[in-house]
Amino acid sequence: KQEVTQIPAALSVPEGENLVLNCSFTDSAIYNLQWFRQDPGKGLTSLLLIQSSQREQTSGRLNASLDKSSGRSTLYIAASQPGDSATYLCAVRAGSNYQLIWGAGTKLIIKP
Amino acid sequence: NAGVTQTPKFRVLKTGQSMTLLCAQDMNHEYMYWYRQDPGMGLRLIHYSVGEGTTAKGEVPDGYNVSRLKKQNFLLGLESAAPSQTSVYFCASSQPGQGNEQYFGPGTRLTVT
Repeated sequence: KQEVTQIPAALSVPEGENLVLNCSFTDSAIYNLQWFRQDPGKGLTSLLLIQSSQREQTSGRLNASLDKSSGRSTLYIAASQPGDSATYLCAVRAGSNYQLIWGAGTKLIIKP
Repeated sequence: NAGVTQTPKFRVLKTGQSMTLLCAQDMNHEYMYWYRQDPGMGLRLIHYSVGEGTTAKGEVPDGYNVSRLKKQNFLLGLESAAPSQTSVYFCASSQPGQGNEQYFGPGTRLTVT
């Protein structure tokens, strides 16, 4: 059974730092992996989607990598800003099932 | 283009009451999903639909029913609400062939007392 883990559960860093969020999964047979952002009381916003054949995806200050063999993905945020404060979730689409398997998220706080 | 919308945004029910949550999307997506999110846990899939008139069970379907009579709408029903169904409910939609990237609504916060 696919399980997705995000460590740490919470992270607080000063503004301007580069940071990495981690996502690990137990079964390397995935179709794709998606990173989302969730603001308090709001829905989820898709940040990046990495297909199983890809190694990384970039959008602005965000870079997501995927290493299927080790069951890991990282979300790199460059030059962090207070507006980046949110909960970041990763989810994998496993096999031919449409279901996404979710991590519990990392709550990120960027201190001004 | 509103994306995915959900109504209502908040609701308080008493144990045993019933209600229906409405999800609507204007992106002409084939697939739609209902999730619940509980504190400290990832989202869990309740039911999903791969097209108008079709529905399927997800990870936690018990106590819920769904219907997809129109392509743009996906309804989630609670026939007899229980306190364990207190949660935040999210609807999402996606289109096959686009990596199945899912787009989410703002959520409905449901409290069952």
